[in-house]
Amino acid sequence: GAVVSQHPSRVICKSGTSVKIECRSLDFQATTMFWYRQFPKQSLMLMATSNEGSKATYEQGVEKDKFLINHASLTLSTLTVTSAHPEDSSFYICSASGAAGAGEQFFGPGTRLTVL
Amino acid sequence: GDSVTQMEGPVTLSEEAFLTINCTYTATGYPSLFWYVQYPGEGLQLLLKATKADDKGSNKGFEATYRKETTSFHLEKGSVQVSDSAVYFCALSLTRGNTPLVFGKGTRLSVIA
Repeated sequence: GAVVSQHPSRVICKSGTSVKIECRSLDFQATTMFWYRQFPKQSLMLMATSNEGSKATYEQGVEKDKFLINHASLTLSTLTVTSAHPEDSSFYICSASGAAGAGEQFFGPGTRLTVL
Repeated sequence: GDSVTQMEGPVTLSEEAFLTINCTYTATGYPSLFWYVQYPGEGLQLLLKATKADDKGSNKGFEATYRKETTSFHLEKGSVQVSDSAVYFCALSLTRGNTPLVFGKGTRLSVIA
């Protein structure tokens, strides 16, 4: 149980385009989802926290107009990178947590974004 | 604030060697503690957890004991395999899931045959 999927796993796009990444909890209801960014050989950097049906809470320094997060249902959150630039190239990982449990999060497999 | 400190890597071991990755934490309350593992090119997988003092989490030969007196949650394995090569993250949570985990910086483990 506690499976989280992400789609796509890898995307290459041109500078200036927008890219949407989906995060789905497959076998549980995710009351909260988190979006992280990871640079090579570094730890995860939390970008934002989203609760179903409400606006996401962004971490300091993360542009909310550039990284649009929608958490429309208890099983789906999306991250849209708008007007992507090469510096947005990174590994994006989502995680989800439910109402039960000890506070653990379940992570998706990640999305590798490359902006040319 | 709450924080997690884990030993710097990289750690390189020979197959069948004993592994210890140290993790200590600072928290204002009584956290749950976790170890996650990240294989190359993948997301994080929950390896084990402990929710209260003296609890021992275990999975796939890995163990960690929640030590409140030393605020530690060291990861151990008696005999590592090449397939254990990955990055290991120690993390804590003070709530039941609606706030972010606090992660350590990660420790890269390489096991050579």
